[in-house]
Amino acid sequence: DAKTTQPPSMDCAEGRAANLPCNHSTISGNEYVYWYRQIHSQGPQYIIHGLKNNETNEMASLIITEDRKSSTLILPHATLRDTAVYYCIVYRNTGRRALTFGSGTRLQVQP
Amino acid sequence: GAVVSQHPSWVICKSGTSVKIECRSLDFQATTMFWYRQFPKQSLMLMATSNEGSKATYEQGVEKDKFLINHASLTLSTLTVTSAHPEDSSFYICSATRQGESEAFFGQGTRLTVV
Repeated sequence: DAKTTQPPSMDCAEGRAANLPCNHSTISGNEYVYWYRQIHSQGPQYIIHGLKNNETNEMASLIITEDRKSSTLILPHATLRDTAVYYCIVYRNTGRRALTFGSGTRLQVQP
Repeated sequence: GAVVSQHPSWVICKSGTSVKIECRSLDFQATTMFWYRQFPKQSLMLMATSNEGSKATYEQGVEKDKFLINHASLTLSTLTVTSAHPEDSSFYICSATRQGESEAFFGQGTRLTVV
């Protein structure tokens, strides 16, 4: 699976949009971009994933650049409960392979 | 979404004893489950892949005789930490993927403290 690079930490004001970047310049054509988050002392939670088109769900939006070498996770209105470590993972899912977690971005939402 | 449940959520055991952690897929069948370990302020590290009806596949550096994995049914995988020592104290997390879907679902984790 391709390696990803994320900033180690970010701050965001409550109610504002949180934009979390991820670089994955070695991504191959059949690899998806997945985002998970881990709130303190809990298991990771799936957020969103995409291949090349932008995606949106009830939690977030995922913007993938045209060359697919980077992406941005957008939390449109961050709340204190969004404080967590966010992991960007590039993955070719077969259902029988594990996700490989990097160090992620620690997002601190400030009141 | 699919639910994966772990039990117990936390456990304290004495050094030298064994501890069993259960991972259940509550509303789907999982032929493959994964076990991770997470030390404080670190990321998740894959320990092993649990395959229903066959032997688990362990990552390099993970002792298969110490971390016994049993995947006897399509909804249950167990991880037994044998002869636990304080250095085994960690956060253990399992995950599973529902067939035909792409996202993995994680249990809430089990915090093991060996004293």
